[in-house]
Amino acid sequence: AQSVAQPEDQVNVAEGNPLTVKCTYSVSGNPYLFWYVQYPNRGLQFLLKYITGDNLVKGSYGFEAEFNKSQTSFHLKKPSALVSDSALYFCAVSPTTDSWGKFQFGAGTQVVVTP
Amino acid sequence: DGGITQSPKYLFRKEGQNVTLSCEQNLNHDAMYWYRQDPGQGLRLIYYSQIVNDFQKGDIAEGYSVSREKKESFPLTVTSAQKNPTAFYLCASRNKDGPGELFFGEGSRLTVL
Repeated sequence: AQSVAQPEDQVNVAEGNPLTVKCTYSVSGNPYLFWYVQYPNRGLQFLLKYITGDNLVKGSYGFEAEFNKSQTSFHLKKPSALVSDSALYFCAVSPTTDSWGKFQFGAGTQVVVTP
Repeated sequence: DGGITQSPKYLFRKEGQNVTLSCEQNLNHDAMYWYRQDPGQGLRLIYYSQIVNDFQKGDIAEGYSVSREKKESFPLTVTSAQKNPTAFYLCASRNKDGPGELFFGEGSRLTVL
């Protein structure tokens, strides 16, 4: 069975400081990994994904994520946070053996960026 | 512009009533999904469909029903058998093949009075 853990319910950061949102996963075989962002009462927006290749993935709005196979982690990062980055962030995993993409989502991490 | 349209955005119903949530996509995606979102629990899969006239139960299908008569449409009915239907419902779609990401609609918030 696959699972995703986001160990922090909330991350607080001052504007201009680096932002990190943690994600660890458990899946049989190699995973596809995704990050999404959700603003209040809106759908999820895709930020980035890891499929294969370079462990550092760059995505939308200045976000990037680092895949670490030995630690089974896929942490989301942004060098300099903005107040507008305040939102709910979800990590998701899909096994490469499932072409139909039954995604498993983490519980979400609320990011609060203060001016 | 291509995307996924969910309606209504907000819906109120009385206990014992069935309600149907609409989901339409013009992305030409084969696969469509319904998720339920509750605070602190992430997204849980209700039903998914890989092709027209075929669908499979997800992790929490009890009390829900779906149909897939057209490629573009995947409506979800929340029946009176669903014990705790108040939630935020999200429809999504993706390409059938390869590691494509999910595309989400804007969601429908159902409140049972």
